[in-house]
Amino acid sequence: AQSVTQLGSHVSVSEGALVLLRCNYSSSVPPYLFWYVQYPNQGLQLLLKYTSAATLVKGINGFEAEFKKSETSFHLTKPSAHMSDAAEYFCAVTIGGATNKLIFGTGTLLAVQP
Amino acid sequence: NAGVTQTPKFQVLKTGQSMTLQCAQDMNHEYMSWYRQDPGMGLRLIHYSVGAGITDQGEVPNGYNVSRSTTEDFPLRLLSAAPSQTSVYFCASRMRNTDTQYFGPGTRLTVL
Repeated sequence: AQSVTQLGSHVSVSEGALVLLRCNYSSSVPPYLFWYVQYPNQGLQLLLKYTSAATLVKGINGFEAEFKKSETSFHLTKPSAHMSDAAEYFCAVTIGGATNKLIFGTGTLLAVQP
Repeated sequence: NAGVTQTPKFQVLKTGQSMTLQCAQDMNHEYMSWYRQDPGMGLRLIHYSVGAGITDQGEVPNGYNVSRSTTEDFPLRLLSAAPSQTSVYFCASRMRNTDTQYFGPGTRLTVL
């Protein structure tokens, strides 16, 4: 079975500072990994995904994530936070292909201070 | 394309009442899913469908029914609402050979 763990339910950074949101996964087979963002009162929007190609994945809004098999991690980063990045971020895992079962982490709420 | 649409946006029910949450997509996606989102628990899969006439249970199916008579629609039924079903419900869809799910805007349900 697959699972993801997001460390830190709340993260606060200053505008312009590095954003680092942590995600560790567990999977018995090569996983597909995703980061979704949810702005207040909205649905989820895909930020980026890893599907066994390049280990460093670039997404929208300047975010990127690196798949590290040895550490079973898929941390999300952005060099310089912007006020508009304030949102909740979800890491998710699936074994891909035919399955429709996307397993989500519990989410990390990112606050950006001026 | 409207993408994934959900109605209603908000709903308040009394315990024991029944209702149907509507979900529709106009992208001709084979796969559709229902999730519920609760604070501190992320999103949990309720039911999903891999095509018209085919549905299966997810992680938390109890208290919910689904059917898929057309590719476009995937309604979620609560037969007898309970306070534990107070949550935000999201519908999602994707194409068969892709991994990216598209989410609707959600329905916020309160059961008193």
